[in-house]
Amino acid sequence: KQEVTQIPAALSVPEGENLVLNCSFTDSAIYNLQWFRQDPGKGLTSLLLIQSSQREQTSGRLNASLDKSSGRSTLYIAASQPGDSATYLCAVEYGNKLVFGAGTILRVKS
Amino acid sequence: ETGVTQTPRHLVMGMTNKKSLKCEQHLGHNAMYWYKQSAKKPLELMFVYSLEERVENNSVPSRFSPECPNSSHLFLHLHTLQPEDSALYLCASSPYPGQAYEQYFGPGTRLTVT
Repeated sequence: KQEVTQIPAALSVPEGENLVLNCSFTDSAIYNLQWFRQDPGKGLTSLLLIQSSQREQTSGRLNASLDKSSGRSTLYIAASQPGDSATYLCAVEYGNKLVFGAGTILRVKS
Repeated sequence: ETGVTQTPRHLVMGMTNKKSLKCEQHLGHNAMYWYKQSAKKPLELMFVYSLEERVENNSVPSRFSPECPNSSHLFLHLHTLQPEDSALYLCASSPYPGQAYEQYFGPGTRLTVT
């Protein structure tokens, strides 16, 4: 069964900290892996997409890595800001479908 | 408008009602998706359409009926729903299904079944 797990489920940090969100997946036969951000009651915003052949992607203060063989990905957020507070979702693409993790709820305190 | 839009944004319906959710994408994509997000559960894929043909049906009850009249529009017809169907329903699109294309999501429809 294809499952995606995210750790931690929730995280609260002071502003300015660097932080790491973790994602693991059981089936390594992936097409790609995406990290999304979801604000309360809103849809999803794609942050980074890593193709199965890539090891990492960077966008501004965000860096996502992918280790297919071990079934893991991390999202690194540098110099966190209160505006980063949201739920972060990891999703793995298999064929026609995205399988999502349950998300990490991030709160950055000012 | 740009991106993926969904209407209505909020919907309250009784168990005997029939309603429809609408999704429209302005990105020129060929694949569209319906997802369900229930409280405290991971996002679940419901349906995938590619070039107006359904290519994936993820064991969804028949009280949910999708329709894709063209590559820009996707509907989810609802009838005789149950309270446990209350959730955020998200629509997404991508250039093609799978094949490592990024999916773009709409804002969702918050559905409450009473």
